[in-house]
Amino acid sequence: EVQLVESGGGLVRPGRSLRLSCAGSGFTFGDYAMSWFRQAPGRGPEWVGFVRSEAYGGTTEYAASAKGRFTISRDDSKSVAYLQMNSLKTEDTAVYYCTRCHYYTWKNSAGVDVWGRGATVTVSS
Amino acid sequence: DIQMTQSPSSLSASVGDRVTITCQASQDISFSLNWYQQKPGKAPKLLIYDASNLAAGVPSRFSGGGSGTVFTFTIRSLQPEDTATYYCQHYDGLPLTFGGGTKVEIE
Repeated sequence: EVQLVESGGGLVRPGRSLRLSCAGSGFTFGDYAMSWFRQAPGRGPEWVGFVRSEAYGGTTEYAASAKGRFTISRDDSKSVAYLQMNSLKTEDTAVYYCTRCHYYTWKNSAGVDVWGRGATVTVSS
Repeated sequence: DIQMTQSPSSLSASVGDRVTITCQASQDISFSLNWYQQKPGKAPKLLIYDASNLAAGVPSRFSGGGSGTVFTFTIRSLQPEDTATYYCQHYDGLPLTFGGGTKVEIE
């Protein structure tokens, strides 16, 4: 069974940092791009960014709201993706989801097929 | 950025009814569209990919259609377990964006 499990969420003060992890199982992790989404309370999902597979350089793309503060990385030897979040703001409060993606080079985009259960991040003083 | 406009924002229908949701993209996205179902406190679940392909394990009463800028999502015979919020999402370039969601309730 394909599974993604996020961890590392919690309560953090504004301006601090937090790192989320996403452990994949049931598939060849290194074959896929991995993307992060978030969903603030009462709102729809929002794309945060993704990391391409090593076959495509393992490079990253970010939403404007994440660029410069968030960093996505991966360790295929451990089947884990990471979301490093720095200089957190109250508006970053959300459930953060890790997803498995198919990367489409011709349109520089990623189609999501599997979602994790999510990790809750609360930014508050 | 590509804007995804979804309608209606909510609907109420009876068990067995046919329900249709529309999603309009602000520019041509070909067939690069997913439909998701999300129940309270749960992650979104992929139902339809490439505008009209049913994801694995998804009941056949769900279907999708359209291309370019106008897309539809249909539940052929609404069931009580279909109570949820449904989202469209494009993947024709970046950033990936979602429609505003449609909350489906049973009358």
